[in-house]
Amino acid sequence: AQTVTQSQPEMSVQEAETVTLSCTYDTSESDYYLFWYKQPPSRQMILVIRQEAYKQQNATENRFSVNFQKAAKSFSLKISDSQLGDAAMYFCAYRSGAGGGADGLTFGKGTHLIIQP
Amino acid sequence: GAVVSQHPSRVICKSGTSVKIECRSLDFQATTMFWYRQFPKQSLMLMATSNEGSKATYEQGVEKDKFLINHASLTLSTLTVTSAHPEDSSFYICSATSTSSGDYEQYFGPGTRLTVT
Repeated sequence: AQTVTQSQPEMSVQEAETVTLSCTYDTSESDYYLFWYKQPPSRQMILVIRQEAYKQQNATENRFSVNFQKAAKSFSLKISDSQLGDAAMYFCAYRSGAGGGADGLTFGKGTHLIIQP
Repeated sequence: GAVVSQHPSRVICKSGTSVKIECRSLDFQATTMFWYRQFPKQSLMLMATSNEGSKATYEQGVEKDKFLINHASLTLSTLTVTSAHPEDSSFYICSATSTSSGDYEQYFGPGTRLTVT
């Protein structure tokens, strides 16, 4: 079974600064997808960024980028120019690629990100 | 973009009664829907996967007779919590994906808060 570990229960960053959230995972599969989701107080899950395991290039989405280290099974999220609206719970998630898209997500325990004005 | 709705957003029921939660994909056909459970200040845990027209697949430890899932159409899945007890109180979130779209992204509903008194 796959596991996802987020070792930082809470992180705090000054507005406009950069913060990195850590995530490691364990799997024996070669085909999989990794995600970062944001859950604000409304509890609506919002996809931040995704990474296909077969792609060597790290994914980027505006101020959000990942550092995907496949051999180390590490998938960290970097948020640049942090904004007050970035404050939320962030979940790292894994999905197998074997099920043709019909596999559920395995989530880490989450990191609570606080933005200091 | 792809929108998933859930109804109701909040429900309170008495111990021993059953409650049904609906999950609808509003602008796409969801070949697969997923049900997750989230306890306060915890992560999301996959409960079951449902494919249109077939029986749901439950994760280990999830009682299929207690959590009845029906995916009768490509836009609707329902989760019925039978004989609810206070320990079933939780936040239930569904997600939907279309395996025919190619990207297999899961679109999340806004969640349903269930309180059993």
